[in-house]
Amino acid sequence: AQSVTQLGSHVSVSEGALVLLRCNYSSSVPPYLFWYVQYPNQGLQLLLKYTTGATLVKGINGFEAEFKKSETSFHLTKPSAHMSDAAEYFCAVSDGEGAQKLVFGQGTRLTINP
Amino acid sequence: ETGVTQTPRHLVMGMTNKKSLKCEQHLGHNAMYWYKQSAKKPLELMFVYNFKEQTENNSVPSRFSPECPNSSHLFLHLHTLQPEDSALYLCASSQRDTSYEQYFGPGTRLTVT
Repeated sequence: AQSVTQLGSHVSVSEGALVLLRCNYSSSVPPYLFWYVQYPNQGLQLLLKYTTGATLVKGINGFEAEFKKSETSFHLTKPSAHMSDAAEYFCAVSDGEGAQKLVFGQGTRLTINP
Repeated sequence: ETGVTQTPRHLVMGMTNKKSLKCEQHLGHNAMYWYKQSAKKPLELMFVYNFKEQTENNSVPSRFSPECPNSSHLFLHLHTLQPEDSALYLCASSQRDTSYEQYFGPGTRLTVT
């Protein structure tokens, strides 16, 4: 069975600083991996995904993530934080079969300090 | 309307009430999902529908009854709920077999009193 661990339920960075949100996964099959963002009172929006191929994946709003099989990690980064990045971020893994059964991490709330 | 819409956005119901949540997707997708998002718990998949047929029930109590009359509409019928069922209920849709992206609606915030 798949599982996801997001290290740090709250992360706080200064505006302009590097954003690093950590995600480790467990999967018995080659995983499909996702990062979603949730703004207050809204649903989840896909930031980026890894299915196959290039391990460095670029997404929307300047975010990117790197799939590292040896470390079972899929950390999310952004070089320079913006106030509008304040939200909750969720890492998810699927069983690869059409990605219909997503298993989510607990989420990380990102706060941006001016 | 665009994307995935959900109504109502907020719902307060008593434990003996019967209510329904509605989801509509305007993306031409063929798969729809119900998720439950509780405080301090990971997002949980409840049901999956493919081409109107239920293909996944993640051990959800029978007081939650889904209905999918066509590929664009999904309902969640609620009856005799418990206070611990209070949560944000999210609907999502995807195009099965050609895309690995699930598109989410804004959710219905349910409070059971």
